[in-house]
Amino acid sequence: NFMLTQPHSVSESPGKTVTISCTRSSGSIASNYVQWYQQRPGSAPTTVIYEDNQRPSGVPDRFSGSIDSSSNSASLTISGLKTEDEADYYCQSYDSSNLVFGGGTKLTVL
Amino acid sequence: QITLKESGPTLVKPTQTLTLTCTFSGFSLSTSGVGVGWIRQPPGKALEWLALIYWNDDKRYSPSLKSRLTITKDTSKNQVVLTMTNMDPVDTATYYCAHNDFWSGSLDYWGQGTLVTVSS
Repeated sequence: NFMLTQPHSVSESPGKTVTISCTRSSGSIASNYVQWYQQRPGSAPTTVIYEDNQRPSGVPDRFSGSIDSSSNSASLTISGLKTEDEADYYCQSYDSSNLVFGGGTKLTVL
Repeated sequence: QITLKESGPTLVKPTQTLTLTCTFSGFSLSTSGVGVGWIRQPPGKALEWLALIYWNDDKRYSPSLKSRLTITKDTSKNQVVLTMTNMDPVDTATYYCAHNDFWSGSLDYWGQGTLVTVSS
């Protein structure tokens, strides 16, 4: 079984760009798709990125995803930060037997 | 459109068995590539995957909780049921069900969640 490690928290100012990393502990990050979920307080998670870099309809193109095999990690980048982007973000992937979530990153937009 | 809703007790006693039902609409669990998963989130903590059931009745469980979990489906009722035995206060959490796309591994539609408290 593998783990996904995220930074506990990040903060940035409105209008800036922030990147949240998600590092896979074993097995290749490229071998299984990575998803990113946004969770605002008191609400269920919603998908902002699926299949590494695809945005669901309705998610602004300020949100983008990528993977880097050299660091065995995935990244979520949010540009033109807005106060409404303040939330917890979780990466998620899987293998043949399990789904795995990262520990979540609290994004503060201040 | 796809919707899911969790139902079950809000309070269970330690050692009891928890039974949660996910009732969904907008898709069929007999369609190839479709699954329904359960995820929980203790207050103030991270998401934790619990179990998945697929259209072909294949089942997957979190290794750390496998001995306590059972997931089943009733395709005719559009329901998925999760049972968790020997409940403990540390199992206090919001429990979510979600639609899973087998090919991407994505949990693309979520229920609103139901808070289950374990206390005597």
